[in-house]
Amino acid sequence: ETGVTQSPTHLIKTRGQQVTLRCSSQSGHNTVSWYQQALGQGPQFIFQYYREEENGRGNFPPRFSGLQFPNYSSELNVNALELDDSALYLCASSLSWQETQYFGPGTRLLVL
Amino acid sequence: AQSVTQLDSQVPVFEEAPVELRCNYSSSVSVYLFWYVQYPNQGLQLLLKYLSGSTLVESINGFEAEFNKSQTSFHLRKPSVHISDTAEYFCAVSAASGGSYIPTFGRGTSLIVHP
Repeated sequence: ETGVTQSPTHLIKTRGQQVTLRCSSQSGHNTVSWYQQALGQGPQFIFQYYREEENGRGNFPPRFSGLQFPNYSSELNVNALELDDSALYLCASSLSWQETQYFGPGTRLLVL
Repeated sequence: AQSVTQLDSQVPVFEEAPVELRCNYSSSVSVYLFWYVQYPNQGLQLLLKYLSGSTLVESINGFEAEFNKSQTSFHLRKPSVHISDTAEYFCAVSAASGGSYIPTFGRGTSLIVHP
């Protein structure tokens, strides 16, 4: 059984660019959540997908969007990058929102 | 909106001493409570959770937390810490919002265990 994986591990972009981050869920998990963790802060909930539908969203602007695929892997897309988007982006998968979330190692994004 | 306050950003303690990491949340009708641990250079791992039932929950490595509804707290305790417990600890609360449950994390408490 493989755990949650994320790609890439590190990424450098410039302001105004667009980025796509990817997440592969743990086997059998149909729920994926994305978080942004700024340096020295706790993770902030971006959104959650359940069976390919968005199932809750935190306080993030529409330029943060996502997808979940039939195999339950997921993407996080961020358009028009800003300097404040620099952070560690975490993906977590679970059997449902109540079940234990298993976190991936994260993608560290730096916006210059 | 739900908020979570971890009252201490850093807690230094000597090995084998007891420790308490404090967590308070803003009141809500129905909440679910979690503690996560993040070891250096690793991802977040669930330490323990409260969904319902007994207000005292325990983890497999000696930590425990008690849900106190009247004080809206979920403090984490361990009677005797080890060097290996050095890590960042995050308290999280999930509360109902528009038909789904939105998790909110605290800013984290850095537990530093000295020999």
